[in-house]
Amino acid sequence: ILNVEQSPQSLHVQEGDSTNFTCSFPSSNFYALHWYRWETAKSPEALFVMTLNGDEKKKGRISATLNTKEGYSYLYIKGSQPEDSATYLCAFKGGNTPLVFGKGTRLSVIA
Amino acid sequence: DAGVIQSPRHEVTEMGQEVTLRCKPISGHDYLFWYRQTMMRGLELLIYFNNNVPIDDSGMPEDRFSAKMPNASFSTLKIQPSEPRDSAVYFCASRRQGLGNYEQYFGPGTRLTVT
Repeated sequence: ILNVEQSPQSLHVQEGDSTNFTCSFPSSNFYALHWYRWETAKSPEALFVMTLNGDEKKKGRISATLNTKEGYSYLYIKGSQPEDSATYLCAFKGGNTPLVFGKGTRLSVIA
Repeated sequence: DAGVIQSPRHEVTEMGQEVTLRCKPISGHDYLFWYRQTMMRGLELLIYFNNNVPIDDSGMPEDRFSAKMPNASFSTLKIQPSEPRDSAVYFCASRRQGLGNYEQYFGPGTRLTVT
């Protein structure tokens, strides 16, 4: 059974703070690592898909890094805003497996 | 494109009743996935199809659950008989077959409550 772990489980930050959280995944048979943003009462939406060790992706104030050799990815949010409040899911894609999702990090940004 | 469409959005039913959830994937997508989301387990993959053929149903909890995809634009997930522990949000997602990018597009989900 593939294990995708995310930490912390939840996070409260003040508006303007920068924050980051972690996704750990198997370091073998790697194909891709996804980050999704999931707002309450909506459906998950893809933020990034990363496939190469050392990949760094950026979208506005949100960025992600990937280390496939050690099996982790970080998601960073610079200058958090209340609209960043959501659950951030990572998902691991192995060679012959469908996406396996972590349980997410629930971020609350307090104004 | 309208995105992945699911119906109904909410379903409340009594224990023992049959429940059918419906999904229309994005046109041109070759893969369709059914997920269940609960507080305890997060987002769990139940079953997925490729070109209308079920590929992996190992996530289906028990025989009460069944899924079909009679054509490229429609899939159903059926629970018969339903039980209170089936209460969850059920998501359908689809993606196009291709190299590298396996981004999935999720529907709005069906919130199922079994009383």
